Amino acid sequence: KAGVTQTPRYLIKTRGQQVTLSCSPISGHRSVSWYQQTPGQGLQFLFEYFSETQRNKGNFPGRFSGRQFSNSRSEMNVSTLELGDSALYLCASSPRGLLGQERYGYTFGSGTRLTVV
Amino acid sequence: QKEVEQNSGPLSVPEGAIASLNCTYSDRGSQSFFWYRQYSGKSPELIMSIYSNGDKEDGRFTAQLNKASQYVSLLIRDSQPSDSATYLCAVEYNFNKFYFGSGTKLNVKP
Repeated sequence: KAGVTQTPRYLIKTRGQQVTLSCSPISGHRSVSWYQQTPGQGLQFLFEYFSETQRNKGNFPGRFSGRQFSNSRSEMNVSTLELGDSALYLCASSPRGLLGQERYGYTFGSGTRLTVV
Repeated sequence: QKEVEQNSGPLSVPEGAIASLNCTYSDRGSQSFFWYRQYSGKSPELIMSIYSNGDKEDGRFTAQLNKASQYVSLLIRDSQPSDSATYLCAVEYNFNKFYFGSGTKLNVKP
């Protein structure tokens, strides 16, 4: 069974540019969440998508956006990149649905390491 | 402000000992709690989940939850060098929205 696939693994971008990260969840998982991980702040929740709808959102500026497609694949976009956006971006999928299955946790992808210069 | 507090460590234990990792959280309404293990340079992987007060055992791992004290812990029995990693506590404040602690680094010495 394939795991959570994130592409690309590494990215180097210049300040002011934008970037799109991709995530393919485990087959059958409809919930996809995105996290930013930095040494100073740890894992911080960005947003969660379920059935193409953003269901939860963290406390990040509007430069961070995402979407989910009908096949549950998700993309995350960061516009007008800042040096502070350098981080490991992790996608996590879960079999959680609308009700029930609350006891399932995440399966994380390997992450995309973004460096902004 | 939702907070999840963990001692950053490092926590050093000898091989074969019990490692005790602790986590406190600020929101009394939290219902679900998870422990993840993250090896250096890797992504987190789920170890255990717990929802009810008391202990939950899975192999060498035991999760303990005390909602009155807003405290969750992870015990690792017979610690092995391969258990050396950072352990992350995750608290579910809203459905499918988690707050993670900063993690405790565990070193198991052979």
